[in-house]
Amino acid sequence: DVKVTQSSRYLVKRTGEKVFLECVQDMDHENMFWYRQDPGLGLRLIYFSYDVKMKEKGDIPEGYSVSREKKERFSLILESASTNQTSMYLCASLVVGQGNTEAFFGQGTRLTVV
Amino acid sequence: RKEVEQDPGPFNVPEGATVAFNCTYSNSASQSFFWYRQDCRKEPKLLMSVYSSGNEDGRFTAQLNRASQYISLLIRDSKLSDSATYLCATREYGNKLVFGAGTILRVKS
Repeated sequence: DVKVTQSSRYLVKRTGEKVFLECVQDMDHENMFWYRQDPGLGLRLIYFSYDVKMKEKGDIPEGYSVSREKKERFSLILESASTNQTSMYLCASLVVGQGNTEAFFGQGTRLTVV
Repeated sequence: RKEVEQDPGPFNVPEGATVAFNCTYSNSASQSFFWYRQDCRKEPKLLMSVYSSGNEDGRFTAQLNRASQYISLLIRDSKLSDSATYLCATREYGNKLVFGAGTILRVKS
């Protein structure tokens, strides 16, 4: 079974702190994603990466950065946390193939910024 | 305009009912289409991919209309266990994966 693991289930941080959210996948997938999920807004794409050291902005990249130094690990960084970044953060990795394209999600990190 | 749009619902249906969800997408170059299911406080999981010819998996039927840029999901003989949020998604060029906001389904006895 594919496993996508996020480092924390729950996190509480103070305004202005630098926050690191880690995601590791064990299936050698090239594509990885970071989303945030808020009530009524669904999953909004923050950043994605299609290879090591490669990244693309998603729809809401402001206030975030990412790092992909190794294929299995994709990190989301909140440079200076703000209260409007309180959310559920979901990491995913994607396998692309004929008839078997599928995204696998981590269990999510609920981040509260106070 | 959102890239992928869905009616948020909720759809409240009795057990045994047939229910249909639609989803529209704005990028005509989208390459792949999916329905994901998300249970409360859980991560989304793939329900089914959607193919141009339409496809069926048990009580679930998915269809794609490229000309009108929408995908649909039909659930027949609804079960209590079908209660969840259903998310449609598209894979765009470069493997960007975009989700809609989800449709809430509540099946009641």
